[in-house]
Amino acid sequence: QSALTQPASVSGSPGQSITISCTGSSSDVGSDKLVSWYQQHPGKVPKLVIYEGSKRPSGVSNRFSGSKSGNTASLTISGLQAEDEADYYCCSYAGSRTWVFGGGTKLTVL
Amino acid sequence: QVQLVQSGAEMKTPGASVKVSCKASGFTFTSYWMHWVRQAPGQGLEWMGIINPSGIDTTYAQKFQGRVTMTRDTSTSTVYMELSSLRSEDTAVYYCARDNSNSKSWWFDPWGQGTLVTVSS
Repeated sequence: QSALTQPASVSGSPGQSITISCTGSSSDVGSDKLVSWYQQHPGKVPKLVIYEGSKRPSGVSNRFSGSKSGNTASLTISGLQAEDEADYYCCSYAGSRTWVFGGGTKLTVL
Repeated sequence: QVQLVQSGAEMKTPGASVKVSCKASGFTFTSYWMHWVRQAPGQGLEWMGIINPSGIDTTYAQKFQGRVTMTRDTSTSTVYMELSSLRSEDTAVYYCARDNSNSKSWWFDPWGQGTLVTVSS
């Protein structure tokens, strides 16, 4: 199972919005199962920021939102803040009780 | 609170095996599947496998089949991941994570704090 495709890096200025894409196939991202997204600061444990494609866990800012179109899922962060600078990973069910992560995207807040 | 606490860092020589533990608390351990995920230095997250609540059923990523064994002890609310025939490329932080799901999706939350396994001669 190949990793889902994410851009290696994205950047934005404080207050701006950015979108991170996560592209797979009809067997994973494009299936009827929705992706989850994780934020990871350097040296820290991954943290769930989006589940069921677009839902936010309690405590996660409403600046984080998720969507999906075809075989591509997207994470959008609006009103960028310095604390959003981190690595972001998507994850999808890939069938046969297996899962696959994206390669990760480094977000830089300029 | 819901928590997963993993065993400490390990240093192993090539060819050896390592067994990492993950102790759960704050939730009904026997109701949840558990995942293992690893992250090599400077690299992304890699899904390794999943074990069912009773410990009878497992699914491993094809890459690790034959080398990984996941078990769980319901009496101590602990899951284990053993990786054998270690090589330098297995140097990574290994995480356990609880599986959550509904009819539309699966997600991993919470995560253990991670266990660094270093493979070096």
